[in-house]
Amino acid sequence: DVKVTQSSRYLVKRTGEKVFLECVQDMDHENMFWYRQDPGLGLRLIYFSYDVKMKEKGDIPEGYSVSREKKERFSLILESASTNQTSMYLCASSLYGREGDYEQYFGPGTRLTVT
Amino acid sequence: AQRVTQPEKLLSVFKGAPVELKCNYSYSGSPELFWYVQYSRQRLQLLLRHISRESIKGFTADLNKGETSFHLKKPFAQEEDSAMYYCALGRYSGAGSYQLTFGKGTKLSVIP
Repeated sequence: DVKVTQSSRYLVKRTGEKVFLECVQDMDHENMFWYRQDPGLGLRLIYFSYDVKMKEKGDIPEGYSVSREKKERFSLILESASTNQTSMYLCASSLYGREGDYEQYFGPGTRLTVT
Repeated sequence: AQRVTQPEKLLSVFKGAPVELKCNYSYSGSPELFWYVQYSRQRLQLLLRHISRESIKGFTADLNKGETSFHLKKPFAQEEDSAMYYCALGRYSGAGSYQLTFGKGTKLSVIP
């Protein structure tokens, strides 16, 4: 059974702080993703990674960066948190390949509040 | 550019009534469509995908390329169907990774 875990369920940070959100998956998936989930806006892709040290920007990368030093771990970094980054952050993982449609497995989410 | 549209933010139906959650897409390539569901206090999970043509929890969805739609249907709604439903379009990125573009979601509320 695929397990995607996120380091925190709830996080409160101050404006200007550097914030790290951690995600770990235990199924040896190549792909990992970070989304933010906002009411009325759905899920929006921030960044994804298809291999260790490889990353690509998603639809809303501004204000975020990512790090993937190990295959199982994908970190989202808010260099200087702002109030408009208050949101639910979801991590997901999936297999890599050009054939088929690979299901994304999601973590439980981290609700980040920036005050 | 790819786009997924779910026109209803909220859909309320009575228990036992038919349910249809609408999804329209725009994509220049060959589309692969999915429905994901998030029950209260649970993580987002795959409900069904169009290529498998399966029925999960009584839900079905048919890809209509002429109308660019992938509506989710169930003949008789149950209270446990109350959840947030997201339609998603799958595509390969330039890096070869497979990505999903999600709609904004429809909250289904089944009234007892």
